[in-house]
Amino acid sequence: GAVVSQHPSWVICKSGTSVKIECRSLDFQATTMFWYRQFPKQSLMLMATSNEGSKATYEQGVEKDKFLINHASLTLSTLTVTSAHPEDSSFYICSARDPSSGPSEQYFGPGTRLTVT
Amino acid sequence: GQNIDQPTEMTATEGAIVQINCTYQTSGFNGLFWYQQHAGEAPTFLSYNVLDGLEEKGRFSSFLSRSKGYSYLLLKELQMKDSASYLCAVLDSNYQLIWGAGTKLIIKP
Repeated sequence: GAVVSQHPSWVICKSGTSVKIECRSLDFQATTMFWYRQFPKQSLMLMATSNEGSKATYEQGVEKDKFLINHASLTLSTLTVTSAHPEDSSFYICSARDPSSGPSEQYFGPGTRLTVT
Repeated sequence: GQNIDQPTEMTATEGAIVQINCTYQTSGFNGLFWYQQHAGEAPTFLSYNVLDGLEEKGRFSSFLSRSKGYSYLLLKELQMKDSASYLCAVLDSNYQLIWGAGTKLIIKP
């Protein structure tokens, strides 16, 4: 099956700094990537949908100036958490859609655990 | 609005069978997914149903009734490693995944 990687797998940063998380599709070209956030004991919450070469579509309540998404190539999307605060500490998961598999299939990355101190 | 309901937590015994239910109300329907998620890890795909009926895959089976907005995941011959959260998700008319809150399954010896 298709493989999606994320880097880093975990990161600790100080409040006020920015953190970049990478999501890569390793063996397919992903025209669409999704960014999710998951707080402890809660389900996944879609943050934004990222389409290659265009601006990301953010879900209601997600600050686009705080969570910068760049999908510059068909195999890479990045999420930058700017001026991070402790409440941004969460598990961030990306997924990618392989157009050759049809619109129903999403492949998930292993997730990135962000801790802001 | 869109809504997916599944029990918060279930407990079962090793070797037994457990059924996790999921009901949904969404704007459009392009299929229903079940994912398994161990603590601290990303979800892993278990099943996808788009037509009514039962799909069997080894120890796991998934059922769908579109008219009732209902699905269940059936796990047989439970093993300790099956202790995890099980997430029900529906693909809506925009091909966006709408997620349930997940069911935490606890397996006891």
